Amino acid sequence: QKEVEQDPGPLSVPEGAIVSLNCTYSNSAFQYFMWYRQYSRKGPELLMYTYSSGNKEDGRFTAQVDKSSKYISLFIRDSQPSDSATYLCAPNSGGYQKVTFGTGTKLQVIP
Amino acid sequence: NAGVTQTPKFQVLKTGQSMTLQCAQDMNHNSMYWYRQDPGMGLRLIYYSASEGTTDKGEVPNGYNVSRLNKREFSLRLESAAPSQTSVYFCASSAADLRISYEQYFGPGTRLTVT
Repeated sequence: QKEVEQDPGPLSVPEGAIVSLNCTYSNSAFQYFMWYRQYSRKGPELLMYTYSSGNKEDGRFTAQVDKSSKYISLFIRDSQPSDSATYLCAPNSGGYQKVTFGTGTKLQVIP
Repeated sequence: NAGVTQTPKFQVLKTGQSMTLQCAQDMNHNSMYWYRQDPGMGLRLIYYSASEGTTDKGEVPNGYNVSRLNKREFSLRLESAAPSQTSVYFCASSAADLRISYEQYFGPGTRLTVT
């Protein structure tokens, strides 16, 4: 079993839709939960960062962590064509220890 | 402030050739990383350097060597390239310490093809 599982997609939605992207993980030591966004032929960049369980909202984006079920979600409201990218979840246990990235979910928002 | 820079952007090698991928960051970060990204495999850590003067193996270190030349620069060397090393290579840096996890900043990547 991989330490982090993420559906690779692709996920195709119409503009304005609500998008739900999900990851599961197996390591109970993970307490920092990051979502990176990667545009085509670019390096990943941090989108959202949460610590422990709960929700965090930033504009149209909401990150949700349920440590009891080891489930991570990223919700995008009112999706835009500019949201078309690959989204990678990256849970980790902190410090300089290695960060485990999910394989990424490719999202396409159609105008 | 350029962030993380990588050279070259593209490279084609023949099997058995060697090359060094260069990475530099201007954010005064302590930690630097080398990843490879392959379809369906996601980002996999090759080597990392928690601080100047230290390097450690990641998930897929075989066939690679690294040098943390100074705080700014972290290079990745392929001594004898193999077709299995065809990939996109990303360098990243972070201000991580033992107490908290910091964001990693990624470079633009190097697309390497080994024929």
